Amino acid sequence: DAGITQSPRHKVTETGTPVTLRCHQTENHRYMYWYRQDPGHGLRLIHYSYGVKDTDKGEVSDGYSVSRSKTEDFLLTLESATSSQTSVYFCAISEVQNEQFFGPGTRLTVL
Amino acid sequence: AQSVTQLDSHVSVSEGTPVLLRCNYSSSYSPSLFWYVQHPNKGLQLLLKYTSAATLVKGINGFEAEFKKSETSFHLTKPSAHMSDAAEYFCVVIRMDSSYKLIFGSGTRLLVRP
Repeated sequence: DAGITQSPRHKVTETGTPVTLRCHQTENHRYMYWYRQDPGHGLRLIHYSYGVKDTDKGEVSDGYSVSRSKTEDFLLTLESATSSQTSVYFCAISEVQNEQFFGPGTRLTVL
Repeated sequence: AQSVTQLDSHVSVSEGTPVLLRCNYSSSYSPSLFWYVQHPNKGLQLLLKYTSAATLVKGINGFEAEFKKSETSFHLTKPSAHMSDAAEYFCVVIRMDSSYKLIFGSGTRLLVRP
């Protein structure tokens, strides 16, 4: 998967707890993205990063924050998880104007 | 603004018969277009991409797509379906601003009957 790993791959947590998902790349790509995939909605962009410490919101950013302190790592944090955040989360990377390469996904269940 | 529309949410074919998955796009610029495939419980894999070179693009696993500007279409085809082609397929356009965000179609689920 183009040198992209996500951790954890599966997580079950309870409402109100903080959760951090990690995306790690070995490709040195500038852009990194976090998506969520839900039935009937396809993939929706949560946040993205265009460089170290440079991030911006996507279309479904409420309840999520991100950080990128190194080129290779992009963290997605749910400050206080809710059941509506149960989803499959995908990280992606790209270089300028090119296709994105996706990680294997993290299945998150919030009880 | 850029967008893509996948015209069929589900397509069912018999093994060995041709596959056609339809996608129309809307773009103010000359678009970069992609097809991704997602097998059950897997991540997304790039099938092929169009970036204003040849209008007929060949991808992996025997798939190809033709960019037709006059019809604003980028349909995905394969001459002969295989059982392993059963998956969900996404037509995608890249947003040509500083974000380079992908804009996804809603997906087409391909069922291959034995």
